[in-house]
Amino acid sequence: EAGVAQSPRYKIIEKRQSVAFWCNPISGHATLYWYQQILGQGPKLLIQFQNNGVVDDSQLPKDRFSAERLKGVDSTLKIQPAKLEDSAVYLCASSSEGDLGGYTFGSGTRLTVV
Amino acid sequence: AQSVAQPEDQVNVAEGNPLTVKCTYSVSGNPYLFWYVQYPNRGLQFLLKYITGDNLVKGSYGFEAEFNKSQTSFHLKKPSALVSDSALYFCAVFGGFKTIFGAGTRLFVKA
Repeated sequence: EAGVAQSPRYKIIEKRQSVAFWCNPISGHATLYWYQQILGQGPKLLIQFQNNGVVDDSQLPKDRFSAERLKGVDSTLKIQPAKLEDSAVYLCASSSEGDLGGYTFGSGTRLTVV
Repeated sequence: AQSVAQPEDQVNVAEGNPLTVKCTYSVSGNPYLFWYVQYPNRGLQFLLKYITGDNLVKGSYGFEAEFNKSQTSFHLKKPSALVSDSALYFCAVFGGFKTIFGAGTRLFVKA
């Protein structure tokens, strides 16, 4: 079984620029999550999709962050414009049983905003 | 509101000794509890979960965790630590709304 694929692995941008991250979950996993992990902290949920619908985006800074999962498979997370405090690892995860099944995480995208 | 706490930033143990990584939680309903491990430059890997049933849960790589409802704890354990167990460990809880993660505990196993 292929894992959760994420790209790019690393990204360095200047503040106020835009950036996009891509995630392809495990085939058949209906639930997809984007988490933000700041250095020294645990992952924080940004958005949860069930198929192509949003289940929870209460912690997504909607003035600058957006995410979509148009066909219920892969997903993109965008930041525009980026701020210094957005420097973090962005993790994508998927699950076949929602929050009760345990997640499979991708390797993450490490974003540095300078 | 739900929360999860990992009271130790770091745990040091000698190879071959038993290890325990602590986790406590707070939820209003039944808790669903998880442990994940993160190796350097890697995403988190699922170790084990407690949903219901036996309080002692066995998982990957010889790890187990004990659910204690009265103490609201879900400590991760392993009878004999390996140097390769050195990593960052995260406890997570789902209390009916969303899964939240603790801040993590770094485990160092010295040879």
